[in-house]
Amino acid sequence: GENVEQHPSTLSVQEGDSAVIKCTYSDSASNYFPWYKQELGKRPQLIIDIRSNVGEKKDQRIAVTLNKTAKHFSLHITETQPEDSAVYFCAASQRSGGSYIPTFGRGTSLIVHP
Amino acid sequence: GAGVSQSPRYKVAKRGQDVALRCDPISGHVSLFWYQQALGQGPEFLTYFQNEAQLDKSGLPSDRFFAERPEGSVSTLKIQRTQQEDSAVYLCASSLVGGSNTDTQYFGPGTRLTVL
Repeated sequence: GENVEQHPSTLSVQEGDSAVIKCTYSDSASNYFPWYKQELGKRPQLIIDIRSNVGEKKDQRIAVTLNKTAKHFSLHITETQPEDSAVYFCAASQRSGGSYIPTFGRGTSLIVHP
Repeated sequence: GAGVSQSPRYKVAKRGQDVALRCDPISGHVSLFWYQQALGQGPEFLTYFQNEAQLDKSGLPSDRFFAERPEGSVSTLKIQRTQQEDSAVYLCASSLVGGSNTDTQYFGPGTRLTVL
């Protein structure tokens, strides 16, 4: 089955700095890569996703890059703000019966210091 | 509109008890997913429905776990003879269909199960 490794497990930055979270996956059949943000005690919420036919995608301060050959993808957050503090999960998904089944990484706890 | 809802939000069970966890997906969403999230971990896939059909149950950890969605809307995850290792947050998610532009999964708030 798929195996997703996520690093770092904890990331502490100053407000205004950039943050980068990296994930690797093992199964070349994975073709959809969502990123979720989960605040303490809250539900995971999709913040950005990328499909395997695209190398990069941006949405305001958030960007995701994908290297299919190396089987790794990264989340980049620029101009971090205290409200960006949360746990971020990457996932690698494969199609199964008409939908995508994700395998999640173990999460990165991002702390943005004001 | 209303998001995915789950009940109860918290459940404490004695070891050996049976529990039933409910998920109400977003109205009209065809696909429904169940995940188990242990403390400090990412969600782990348990099972998936498309309408009332259970298309993948490869993540269910044992035959004590059973899920159903009889009318293609509300789903129930049942755990029989609960064990301490079943303690986790159980997340439900739904998505509109599963096509290329509608794969976004919307998560519920989860049910935190504690087995004593």
